[in-house]
Amino acid sequence: DTGVSQDPRHKITKRGQNVTFRCDPISEHNRLYWYRQTLGQGPEFLTYFQNEAQLEKSRLLSDRFSAERPKGSFSTLEIQRTEQGDSAMYLCASSLGGRAETQYFGPGTRLLVL
Amino acid sequence: AQKVTQAQTEISVVEKEDVTLDCVYETRDTTYYLFWYKQPPSGELVFLIRRNSFDEQNEISGRYSWNFQKSTSSFNFTITASQVVDSAVYFCALSEAAGANSKLTFGKGITLSVRP
Repeated sequence: DTGVSQDPRHKITKRGQNVTFRCDPISEHNRLYWYRQTLGQGPEFLTYFQNEAQLEKSRLLSDRFSAERPKGSFSTLEIQRTEQGDSAMYLCASSLGGRAETQYFGPGTRLLVL
Repeated sequence: AQKVTQAQTEISVVEKEDVTLDCVYETRDTTYYLFWYKQPPSGELVFLIRRNSFDEQNEISGRYSWNFQKSTSSFNFTITASQVVDSAVYFCALSEAAGANSKLTFGKGITLSVRP
């Protein structure tokens, strides 16, 4: 039973550096979501893909953030010129698609920007 | 705009006690979906249940039960005979059916501590 996987699980970086996270969804799932969770808060939607198409981006996703899902399988989330405010848990989820299909989450990547 | 409110922030109980986690939601849609997720200390969100707005039947799964009441816009979660392994943060979430994006709107979560 292969669930959603994310890599790395933890990342510590210095302010101004670029970081990239990877998410591998459940294999037959065509929808992939990225969320961000800060301490004491619930996850907040960032963006989502239907196959390789990025269909919506939240206003939370500044120009320093970019996400891709080149072949409709794994996805990457890159943050350029990181800021301390980017420190958070970045969660990836996947679903089969369709309206309000259940999203299954990965273990997350915890980012700390020093 | 949709919103989920989990007014309780932290709950502490002794093992074997029953505990209810409250969730109140706001949405303009007539068709929507409600979810509960559990987040243990490891960080991964674990799916517990999904309900659609047309199905107000309460559901029971082992020690877990859910009470959905449209009249009060609530979707409460009860754990019967709590166990230490139930200690986690629990999130209620809402997804609107209109449009293609099934993004989840989460509440702030309730931290449940079950003491032996």
